[in-house]
Amino acid sequence: GAVVSQHPSWVICKSGTSVKIECRSLDFQATTMFWYRQFPKQSLMLMATSNEGSKATYEQGVEKDKFLINHASLTLSTLTVTSAHPEDSSFYICSARASGTGKSGVYEQYFGPGTRLTVT
Amino acid sequence: DAKTTQPPSMDCAEGRAANLPCNHSTISGNEYVYWYRQIHSQGPQYIIHGLKNNETNEMASLIITEDRKSSTLILPHATLRDTAVYYCIRGSGGSNYKLTFGKGTLLTVNP
Repeated sequence: GAVVSQHPSWVICKSGTSVKIECRSLDFQATTMFWYRQFPKQSLMLMATSNEGSKATYEQGVEKDKFLINHASLTLSTLTVTSAHPEDSSFYICSARASGTGKSGVYEQYFGPGTRLTVT
Repeated sequence: DAKTTQPPSMDCAEGRAANLPCNHSTISGNEYVYWYRQIHSQGPQYIIHGLKNNETNEMASLIITEDRKSSTLILPHATLRDTAVYYCIRGSGGSNYKLTFGKGTLLTVNP
């Protein structure tokens, strides 16, 4: 099956510093990748959609200057949380959509294992 | 707005079938029904999807009503490892659809 990896799986950083999270599609090409955020006991909230080689599209209420997204290749997207604050502590999950439809006839989408960010 | 309705929680005995309902009464003709699950502190895992016909794979079966206003995910023999939050999501399946997660159903499988 399709595999999406994230690195790191968890990170602790100090307030005011920046943190980069990588998302890779290991065995398929992903034209589109998504970044979600999940607070404790809540559902996943879509933060942004990124297409390879173009600027990311952010959901309403998500600060694009704070959450920098780069999708430089068909297998790699990065999310950088700039000037992190304790309220940015969350579970960040990426998702990658295959570049073509599979046998199922839809553009299949797979999720990474998530990155736990704690800002102290 | 996830546009689907699911019960917040359900319980199931280990070894029995788990039937998880989902209401999507306003689904469009070109929208699929997707099911994902999320085990605690992990990323969501794809389970199954369907458009009109019932579907089955190695993980589960998906039963969609004829009017497509609701569906049921069936885990035929639930195990303790199936304890998770199950999300029913509707989406077009095209190149620009987005998966919007609602609150899902917390399925607890009891020994």
